[in-house]
Amino acid sequence: EAGVAQSPRYKIIEKRQSVAFWCNPISGHATLYWYQQILGQGPKLLIQFQNNGVVDDSQLPKDRFSAERLKGVDSTLKIQPAKLEDSAVYLCASSLEGGGISTYEQYFGPGTRLTVT
Amino acid sequence: AQTVTQSQPEMSVQEAETVTLSCTYDTSESDYYLFWYKQPPSRQMILVIRQEAYKQQNATENRFSVNFQKAAKSFSLKISDSQLGDAAMYFCAYRSVTSGTYKYIFGTGTRLKVLA
Repeated sequence: EAGVAQSPRYKIIEKRQSVAFWCNPISGHATLYWYQQILGQGPKLLIQFQNNGVVDDSQLPKDRFSAERLKGVDSTLKIQPAKLEDSAVYLCASSLEGGGISTYEQYFGPGTRLTVT
Repeated sequence: AQTVTQSQPEMSVQEAETVTLSCTYDTSESDYYLFWYKQPPSRQMILVIRQEAYKQQNATENRFSVNFQKAAKSFSLKISDSQLGDAAMYFCAYRSVTSGTYKYIFGTGTRLKVLA
């Protein structure tokens, strides 16, 4: 079974530029998460999709961040314009959900390390 | 709002010894799930162990076990016979299962060092 794929793995941009991250979840997983993990901190949920609908985006800075999940599969997260404080690892995770606790296990991708200079 | 607190930024353990990582949480919900995830250096985060709030029995997975105290809102992770490969960041996580709220909240993590 293929895991969660993310690209790119690393990205360096200047402030005020835009950047996009891509995530392909595990096949059949209805729920997809985007997290921001700043160095030394725990992951912070940015947005959660159930199929192609948004379940929670309360911590997404909507003035600069946007995300979509077309057709309930792949997802992209965009930042425009980027700020220095956006430097972090962006993690994508997916889970099956809807059954017992085992379906709520999150499978994480390798992450994208973003550096904003 | 739910919160998850890990009060130990860093812990050390000798190889083959036992270590306990602490986690407390705050919630008004009666049903939820709790997880411990492991994030090795430069590697992907993986699940270590999980616990349903309605179950009184503590979960166990090989060398990993939890001490779940629902009334105290405490969920500690015990690692027995520590191995060098256990060195990682460990995150405690809370997942709401109440309809209409789907929060998945992580703590700030505990860095575990395993000494040879």
